[in-house]
Amino acid sequence: TQLLEQSPQFLSIQEGENLTVYCNSSSVFSSLQWYRQEPGEGPVLLVTVVTGGEVKKLKRLTFQFGDARKDSSLHITAAQPGDTGLYLCAGETLGNQFYFGTGTSLTVIP
Amino acid sequence: ETGVTQTPRHLVMGMTNKKSLKCEQHLGHNAMYWYKQSAKKPLELMFVYSLEERVENNSVPSRFSPECPNSSHLFLHLHTLQPEDSALYLCASSPAGVSGDTQYFGPGTRLTVL
Repeated sequence: TQLLEQSPQFLSIQEGENLTVYCNSSSVFSSLQWYRQEPGEGPVLLVTVVTGGEVKKLKRLTFQFGDARKDSSLHITAAQPGDTGLYLCAGETLGNQFYFGTGTSLTVIP
Repeated sequence: ETGVTQTPRHLVMGMTNKKSLKCEQHLGHNAMYWYKQSAKKPLELMFVYSLEERVENNSVPSRFSPECPNSSHLFLHLHTLQPEDSALYLCASSPAGVSGDTQYFGPGTRLTVL
């Protein structure tokens, strides 16, 4: 069992569609981060959320931290081929341990 | 050159070989990390160095040996690896080395062990 489970594991959609990916845990996190990793590259930080219920927007990407700080979601509006990549969540537990999630591999088809 | 660089980008080695992975950060950060990324598994933290001192070693087999000669350079020495060690090895750095600190990743070294 992984501490941070992401779903779906794989997602393939057409350009222009909307999508949501999830990052779930039974543990409480003091902060949670989302990264995107493109093929052949390392992960790049997109956002950090720290407050329960917090919503952050980055252009067409909307990130939400659950009220109980156990889960998070990433919603992409009107997906573009450039959004293709592996989306990773990562969280810091209350015990100051840092874990990465299992990842969601997104493919946006032109 | 800026950011975090890793060399080589690709490496194929036999089980009896000895090789080293190199990571260099040009960000003035105090902490550096080695991660292993395998298919269908979360990123696995292997080692953490803060101000050139190893602060974390997550039960990594001794066939992986890290070295941090200064805060800008990190090496991973490899010897007598197994095929299951084939993976993408990512280096990262962060300003302070505290948990939750923003980490900046290099592009990784794709390692194949034959």
